[in-house]
Amino acid sequence: DQQVKQNSPSLSVQEGRISILNCDYTNSMFDYFLWYKKYPAEGPTFLISISSIKDKNEDGRFTVFLNKSAKHLSLHIVPSQPGDSAVYFCAARNQGGKLIFGQGTELSVKP
Amino acid sequence: ETGVTQSPTHLIKTRGQQVTLRCSSQSGHNTVSWYQQALGQGPQFIFQYYREEENGRGNFPPRFSGLQFPNYSSELNVNALELDDSALYLCASSPLINGQRRGANVLTFGAGSRLTVL
Repeated sequence: DQQVKQNSPSLSVQEGRISILNCDYTNSMFDYFLWYKKYPAEGPTFLISISSIKDKNEDGRFTVFLNKSAKHLSLHIVPSQPGDSAVYFCAARNQGGKLIFGQGTELSVKP
Repeated sequence: ETGVTQSPTHLIKTRGQQVTLRCSSQSGHNTVSWYQQALGQGPQFIFQYYREEENGRGNFPPRFSGLQFPNYSSELNVNALELDDSALYLCASSPLINGQRRGANVLTFGAGSRLTVL
């Protein structure tokens, strides 16, 4: 039962352009959604979050959009930089406080 | 401020053996969670510890057990290892205020312990 899905295993973008990473979920009771970034040989690091009562949250080059009716969220990175190349995980928090992660999307930003 | 540290970073075990993984939480964090990340998958929740007691568990069998110590550090123990237990084991810490999460209650992860079961 995959409650959080990232259907694109990989994404390649040119430096300076926009990266859009997508995530779908099935449980309408999730109260927070988070994005984590993971470099090889490191643990996931927190990037940005959004409450289920919001539809947008912005932090510098990173913006997360939440569409509750579609049970869909997306992370926009603009402009993309080569240092953004990493695996990005979408995570949803249930009422018990447990984080449920998607499978991850590997972003490659080409110079 | 120190982050989350885990040990060992890599280890190899054989089927049927037991393993103990260790985690020191970030300074000021009183809650520890453990996640298993299989190759090509996202992290999966194993369990969480708060005030030295298990405070939530994912879909893992009882041979996965844990401890939290008074200094908030933690251990993950896995008995009777199986080949499918080969994975990256991630520890994460977070603060609870009077047992309550505040806001997104972001987890801070360690770099993980990579376990290979042969």
